[in-house]
Amino acid sequence: DTEVTQTPKHLVMGMTNKKSLKCEQHMGHRAMYWYKQKAKKPPELMFVYSYEKLSINESVPSRFSPECPNSSLLNLHLHALQPEDSALYLCASSQERTGANQPQHFGDGTRLSIL
Amino acid sequence: ELKVEQNPLFLSMQEGKNYTIYCNYSTTSDRLYWYRQDPGKSLESLFVLLSNGAVKQEGRLMASLDTKARLSTLHITAAVHDLSATYFCAVGDYGQNFVFGPGTRLSVLP
Repeated sequence: DTEVTQTPKHLVMGMTNKKSLKCEQHMGHRAMYWYKQKAKKPPELMFVYSYEKLSINESVPSRFSPECPNSSLLNLHLHALQPEDSALYLCASSQERTGANQPQHFGDGTRLSIL
Repeated sequence: ELKVEQNPLFLSMQEGKNYTIYCNYSTTSDRLYWYRQDPGKSLESLFVLLSNGAVKQEGRLMASLDTKARLSTLHITAAVHDLSATYFCAVGDYGQNFVFGPGTRLSVLP
């Protein structure tokens, strides 16, 4: 069992739908991350929140919109996605943004399929 | 731009054998991590390496870091089937960047 909880585990949506991915951690971590992982590839960093403020946006298309309502929650709002956006979306958290002496803790991910 | 390479990308080895996975990175770094990922699963943290010469061991796995060579190794001793997984190294720079290597897919055969 992971300490970072992601919901839903699976999501199938059409290109015109709006949906949200959710991530929650109760470890007191102040940095939270969204990654995208395609099959047989490494995770690619999308967004970083540090102390509930967006600190990194790795040139992600605007159809992905992150939100950090509080220090324990991280959302990823999805709108008008493309088939190539189908992937595993991983949330992670760490004590500090740089996570200097602690690793990032990953959730189990949401497997997203765009029809 | 920070780039991270791993080799080999694929490794098939017999139980009981030893092998080493290599992780090279392109710019100076203040931290390096090793993660394990089983198929369809999330990433599990294995090691955090912060300083030159750092060595950490857990069971049959041992990781080391040479910051001057920009090289980390993950050594597997007397492999067992349960170690079959994909192993990623991930490197952070002194700022906000954090990059994963391409992964090494390990299969341990009986």
